[in-house]
Amino acid sequence: DQQVKQNSPSLSVQEGRISILNCDYTNSMFDYFLWYKKYPAEGPTFLISISSIKDKNEDGRFTVFLNKSAKHLSLHIVPSQPGDSAVYFCAASARGGGKLIFGQGTELSVKP
Amino acid sequence: GAVVSQHPSRVICKSGTSVKIECRSLDFQATTMFWYRQFPKQSLMLMATSNEGSKATYEQGVEKDKFLINHASLTLSTLTVTSAHPEDSSFYICSARDPGAGGGETQYFGPGTRLLVL
Repeated sequence: DQQVKQNSPSLSVQEGRISILNCDYTNSMFDYFLWYKKYPAEGPTFLISISSIKDKNEDGRFTVFLNKSAKHLSLHIVPSQPGDSAVYFCAASARGGGKLIFGQGTELSVKP
Repeated sequence: GAVVSQHPSRVICKSGTSVKIECRSLDFQATTMFWYRQFPKQSLMLMATSNEGSKATYEQGVEKDKFLINHASLTLSTLTVTSAHPEDSSFYICSARDPGAGGGETQYFGPGTRLLVL
């Protein structure tokens, strides 16, 4: 049972435009959500997170939105840059549980 | 963000040998570390949770006698792949939870170790 889903395996965006990566979850016990960026043969790099008590968190070009009723979160990157090209994973955890449950990842390609 | 190192970055070994991978949190103390495995084009699969001073908790389907985990200090966890076989070839990644970040829920990842068993 895939508790965290990223239904788009890939996304292509023009440089300067907005990238929107989506993530859905099924477990209502999840209360902390994270986005990671990963290059091949490297470990994931933490980007941004959001607690379930919020519906938006912003850090520079990155904004994460959380819609608890829809069990959906999204990562907005604006403006997109070629260096943003990577695989993006969303992850979720239930406070106190410690484990992160990852989605399958979305490969973002930002074209000049 | 917090820094987690992993050593070695790449290892090639013969079938039947054991390989030890180290994971260190460099600028924070981590009571909990995690070990993941990633196959090509797939997501990260949690193998086990490593707790300082106690036994590791393994995920279903992960052989604890094959993947030995030791969390000897608040900054070091080791994963030993015993009697490695070619099917153990994979990318192994550790993470450490920083208690001072994100309410203690944010995990920071090491750079990963590529294991190739011949």
